[in-house]
Amino acid sequence: DAGVTQTPRHEVAEKGQTIILKCEPVSGHNDLFWYRQTKIQGLELLSYFRSKSLMEDGGAFKDRFKAEMLNSSFSTLKIQPTEPKDSAVYLCASSPGAYAEQFFGPGTRLTVL
Amino acid sequence: SQWGEENLQALSIQEGEDVTMNCSYKTYTTVVHWYRQDSGRGPALIILIRSNEREKRSGRLRATLDTSSQSSSLSITAAQCEDTAVYFCATDEKGRALIFGTGTTVSVSP
Repeated sequence: DAGVTQTPRHEVAEKGQTIILKCEPVSGHNDLFWYRQTKIQGLELLSYFRSKSLMEDGGAFKDRFKAEMLNSSFSTLKIQPTEPKDSAVYLCASSPGAYAEQFFGPGTRLTVL
Repeated sequence: SQWGEENLQALSIQEGEDVTMNCSYKTYTTVVHWYRQDSGRGPALIILIRSNEREKRSGRLRATLDTSSQSSSLSITAAQCEDTAVYFCATDEKGRALIFGTGTTVSVSP
């Protein structure tokens, strides 16, 4: 079984650009999560979907960050416009459901110049 | 914040030593997850301990959960160099996404 895949693995953007990160969850998983990881803040939740419905939306990230689940096997995270403080690793995870293990992708390292 | 007193940020030990890291949490949780993250990779689950369990073992790993004090610990026995990683605990509040602690960096040297 394939794990969670994320593309691209690395992204470099100029300030003000729009970038789209992609995630394919484990087949059959109902829950999908987007996190931002930095050394200082650790893992911060950006969005949480259950059966394609948005369940939680990280309050601090609402204005420029938008995650979507176009179907049960594909999700995108759009950052528009990017700012240098958005430089971080963006992780996607999926899970069979509540209280279950989360399976993480390898992450996308975003650098905003 | 979900977490009370934070984990130790970093631990450095020698191979063969035992190490324990702790997490505390503020709200009820059904399970405590412990994840390990290697450099350049996403976190991976190593132990999941439920609220009706006091202790869970997996190889050289041992997790404990004390619901009365709302705390959990992860111990590694006879650490090896390949145990070098960042370890996270996370709580699972019903219907919500996992809430992760800040992580403990464990460095094991030969």
